[in-house]
Amino acid sequence: EAEVAQSPRYKITEKSQAVAFWCDPISGHATLYWYRQILGQGPELLVQFQDESVVDDSQLPKDRFSAERLKGVDSTLKIQPAELGDSAMYLCASRPRSGEETQYFGPGTRLLVL
Amino acid sequence: SQKIEQNSEALNIQEGKTATLTCNYTNYSPAYLQWYRQDPGRGPVFLLLIRENEKEKRKERLKVTFDTTLKQSLFHITASQPADSATYLCALVKAAGNKLTFGGGTRVLVKP
Repeated sequence: EAEVAQSPRYKITEKSQAVAFWCDPISGHATLYWYRQILGQGPELLVQFQDESVVDDSQLPKDRFSAERLKGVDSTLKIQPAELGDSAMYLCASRPRSGEETQYFGPGTRLLVL
Repeated sequence: SQKIEQNSEALNIQEGKTATLTCNYTNYSPAYLQWYRQDPGRGPVFLLLIRENEKEKRKERLKVTFDTTLKQSLFHITASQPADSATYLCALVKAAGNKLTFGGGTRVLVKP
């Protein structure tokens, strides 16, 4: 069964450093989402892509976060500089082009900022 | 402001009993409501979707109800098993193709 891939699974960094997360959605899925989940809370959307275009980045802290999906397939989320409050699970999800509302989540990247 | 509330307290239940979880929302008119399961350190896994014009949906031992008047969804796990122990998240979607807005989740612990 096809799955959303994410790497790394765990990342420890010091504040003010740069970090990057990678996501490879299920093949053929046009919509890609990045969520942030703080421990004990539900995921919150950071950015949504439709193919290579950003559809919603209203909750993305653009002073330090950036996301791209250059060829409309895999995606990278970057944080620079990282802050202590960025410690969280970063989840990637994808959805087929149309007709299905289910989102398929990857295993996530657990970030710890020291 | 929009709010989606789930019981933050863990639900401890004996094996074989029915677990019932609630999801309440305010200032929201969702087109869909979805329930996801999340195991520790893993991403959420889709369980059920119910539309605004549907009252009830079932899948195996799972049942979801959706009351748009009460602005509430109930999620039932019948004949619960220890393997059902996880956190269950409800998520609302305003319109097709839009983002999921999640509640905080309810942790369920099924004891043998």
